[in-house]
Amino acid sequence: AQTVTQSQPEMSVQEAETVTLSCTYDTSESDYYLFWYKQPPSRQMILVIRQEAYKQQNATENRFSVNFQKAAKSFSLKISDSQLGDAAMYFCAYRSTPGAGSYQLTFGKGTKLSVIP
Amino acid sequence: DTGVSQDPRHKITKRGQNVTFRCDPISEHNRLYWYRQTLGQGPEFLTYFQNEAQLEKSRLLSDRFSAERPKGSFSTLEIQRTEQGDSAMYLCASSLKGPNTEAFFGQGTRLTVV
Repeated sequence: AQTVTQSQPEMSVQEAETVTLSCTYDTSESDYYLFWYKQPPSRQMILVIRQEAYKQQNATENRFSVNFQKAAKSFSLKISDSQLGDAAMYFCAYRSTPGAGSYQLTFGKGTKLSVIP
Repeated sequence: DTGVSQDPRHKITKRGQNVTFRCDPISEHNRLYWYRQTLGQGPEFLTYFQNEAQLEKSRLLSDRFSAERPKGSFSTLEIQRTEQGDSAMYLCASSLKGPNTEAFFGQGTRLTVV
């Protein structure tokens, strides 16, 4: 079974600065998908960014980028130019490819990000 | 259609009572998922439907839990004989069919068992 570990329960960042959230995972599969989800206080989860394991290029979405290290099974999220609206719980998640027969997301415990004005 | 809708948003029930939650997915989405999230934890997978077929169930889904999606549209999650340990946020998500499609989440139903 796959596991996802987020070792930072809480992080804080000054507005306009850069912060990196860590995520490691364990799997025996060679192909899979990785995601970062944001859960603001209203509790609706929103997809921030996704990475397909077979793609070596790190995914980027505006101010959000990932550092995907497949051999190390590491998938960190970098938020640049942090904004007050970035304050939320951030969850790292893993999903197998369809050929593995499962569509479930396996989540880490989350990192609570605070943005200091 | 503005997204995944869940009803009710909050439910307080006495231990031993049955409760039912409803999820309305995004209309063209044929995949629907239920997750449970307890305080301080990430969501945990419960079950998954493709159209009306329930294709995957977690071991977390005990015999007291049942989920249906009768016409491949909305889904219900019923918990019978609720226990205090069932207190959690129950999240529904939906997605299109495809290898790399995004799951869209609802705002959840918060269940408190007293």
